[in-house]
Amino acid sequence: DTAVSQTPKYLVTQMGNDKSIKCEQNLGHDTMYWYKQDSKKFLKIMFSYNNKELIINETVPNRFSPKSPDKAHLNLHINSLELGDSAVYFCASSLGDYNTDTQYFGPGTRLTVL
Amino acid sequence: QKEVEQDPGPLSVPEGAIVSLNCTYSNSAFQYFMWYRQYSRKGPELLMYTYSSGNKEDGRFTAQVDKSSKYISLFIRDSQPSDSATYLCAMSVGGGKLIFGQGTELSVKP
Repeated sequence: DTAVSQTPKYLVTQMGNDKSIKCEQNLGHDTMYWYKQDSKKFLKIMFSYNNKELIINETVPNRFSPKSPDKAHLNLHINSLELGDSAVYFCASSLGDYNTDTQYFGPGTRLTVL
Repeated sequence: QKEVEQDPGPLSVPEGAIVSLNCTYSNSAFQYFMWYRQYSRKGPELLMYTYSSGNKEDGRFTAQVDKSSKYISLFIRDSQPSDSATYLCAMSVGGGKLIFGQGTELSVKP
């Protein structure tokens, strides 16, 4: 059983398109996150949700919109894709104690914008 | 200047060597310190977690935190080819927001 799963694993698309990445966790965690990892392996937090409520919203373009239909799912929608959006996007989840919780990462979605 | 600095390597060592990986940071408010391991084309997985200065040991891995110098280290003893991965340090002031270093790519040669 996969703890944190993401779909799709690979996404290749043209500039200007709109795309979504889905994330699901079956760990019973309350908090979920989206991270972006660039080509230099630099991993940066984008958003976090706790029980469907937005907690962390870093300075990302408003073309990126997270949506949490329930606490087991956190999706990421990206409008008007740009070349610079090419990266690996990781979803993560944690139990809910922000300070001490281990964050469990999904396998990543490799986005390539042409 | 980034909040967390980590030499990206790559670092290549022979099997059995002791590996030392390091990060420096500028934000004295960081309280929680972690090391993640990331295999190629996989998600990061937590290796070690500390929240105070000093050493923490787990098998072949030792994490060291020196808050006065704003410096953390991960030591791997008796390194194995299976340790070949990218090692990311991460830090937090709390609130779930982890700040990651760039990661050090390690290769352990048989």
